[in-house]
Amino acid sequence: AQSVSQHNHHVILSEAASLELGCNYSYGGTVNLFWYVQYPGQHLQLLLKYFSGDPLVKGIKGFEAEFIKSKFSFNLRKPSVQWSDTAEYFCAGSRTAGNKLTFGGGTRVLVKP
Amino acid sequence: GAVVSQHPSWVICKSGTSVKIECRSLDFQATTMFWYRQFPKQSLMLMATSNEGSKATYEQGVEKDKFLINHASLTLSTLTVTSAHPEDSSFYICSARDWGQGNNQPQHFGDGTRLSIL
Repeated sequence: AQSVSQHNHHVILSEAASLELGCNYSYGGTVNLFWYVQYPGQHLQLLLKYFSGDPLVKGIKGFEAEFIKSKFSFNLRKPSVQWSDTAEYFCAGSRTAGNKLTFGGGTRVLVKP
Repeated sequence: GAVVSQHPSWVICKSGTSVKIECRSLDFQATTMFWYRQFPKQSLMLMATSNEGSKATYEQGVEKDKFLINHASLTLSTLTVTSAHPEDSSFYICSARDWGQGNNQPQHFGDGTRLSIL
């Protein structure tokens, strides 16, 4: 069965620190991977997506993620976080772009000002 | 951008009541919508895939008679929680994809509906 796992449940860091959130998937064959962010009191928003091609994907708000097929990973990174990056981050995967998503457990990120 | 609207955003009702939640794609057509459930401090779990004009596809362990899904038009899907009980209290989220924009389009999520059963 397909699954997506996120390594960290909670991350606390200071402004300007670098952020990396781990995500691993178990899918055979083609996989589409996503990172979503949920700010407090808001709906899920897409940060970035990987379908094919360049494994380094750049998203909104300075986020990027790297698809490493050999490691079944799709880690999210941001070189320098801001207080406004405080949110919950979800990694998700699907077999095709519009198909049902399997979500990881989420990582709550708290950026201290 | 594509917008998905859910209504109501929050509902409180007595045990035994049936509750209907609407999910609308405001500026695009969605032949397929998805319903997720999110318990506090947990991730989203897919409940069912709602297909316009046909029966919904339910995930394993989800009672189809308990969670009725109707997708009568290309812009509206409804989830009815029948005879709701306190254990049905949760955050219900729908999503939809703009199929008219081609294959490589992600899902867009609604704001969610917080259901509290007393």
